[in-house]
Amino acid sequence: QKEVEQNSGPLSVPEGAIASLNCTYSDRGSQSFFWYRQYSGKSPELIMSIYSNGDKEDGRFTAQLNKASQYVSLLIRDSQPSDSATYLCAVNVGGGATNKLIFGTGTLLAVQP
Amino acid sequence: DGGITQSPKYLFRKEGQNVTLSCEQNLNHDAMYWYRQDPGQGLRLIYYSQIVNDFQKGDIAEGYSVSREKKESFPLTVTSAQKNPTAFYLCASSISGTGNTIYFGEGSWLTVV
Repeated sequence: QKEVEQNSGPLSVPEGAIASLNCTYSDRGSQSFFWYRQYSGKSPELIMSIYSNGDKEDGRFTAQLNKASQYVSLLIRDSQPSDSATYLCAVNVGGGATNKLIFGTGTLLAVQP
Repeated sequence: DGGITQSPKYLFRKEGQNVTLSCEQNLNHDAMYWYRQDPGQGLRLIYYSQIVNDFQKGDIAEGYSVSREKKESFPLTVTSAQKNPTAFYLCASSISGTGNTIYFGEGSWLTVV
């Protein structure tokens, strides 16, 4: 069974701090990784995708990937109360023509004003 | 506007009844998906389709059925065989081929009464 593991939280950080969200995955063959944000009662929306080892930055968000350790993380700089949401890590376990994501259970982030 | 439309947004079902959730997309995506989310949980894949007239079971297909007669449409039927159908159902779509971003509709809340 291919799995994606996340700490469910809640992760509480003060406004303006850096929030660090972590994810590990079991399928060593996975090549693409995604972070989604989900507000309560809403559908997930894509924050970032990452495909290569190292860091990828987009505004206040940085995704980090280490395939050897099977580890993906998301850093949120200058955290804002509007960042309070559940963050879902997703890993592609398809191959060839098949696009298939499996998700972790999500980490609840609470940014305290 | 381009997007994924799910209907109805809220649905109540009596035990023993089948219900069908609609999903339509105008993004010209080949691949479509159905996920289920229970409170405080991650997303679990029910069925997915990479091309018209073809679909595959996901991790929790028992008690569900789908069809893919048109590229734009991927309806999900929750049958009376599904023992715990109360959940948030999410339809999604993507460009075909592994590693592409999956985009979500707004979701449908199903409650069994």
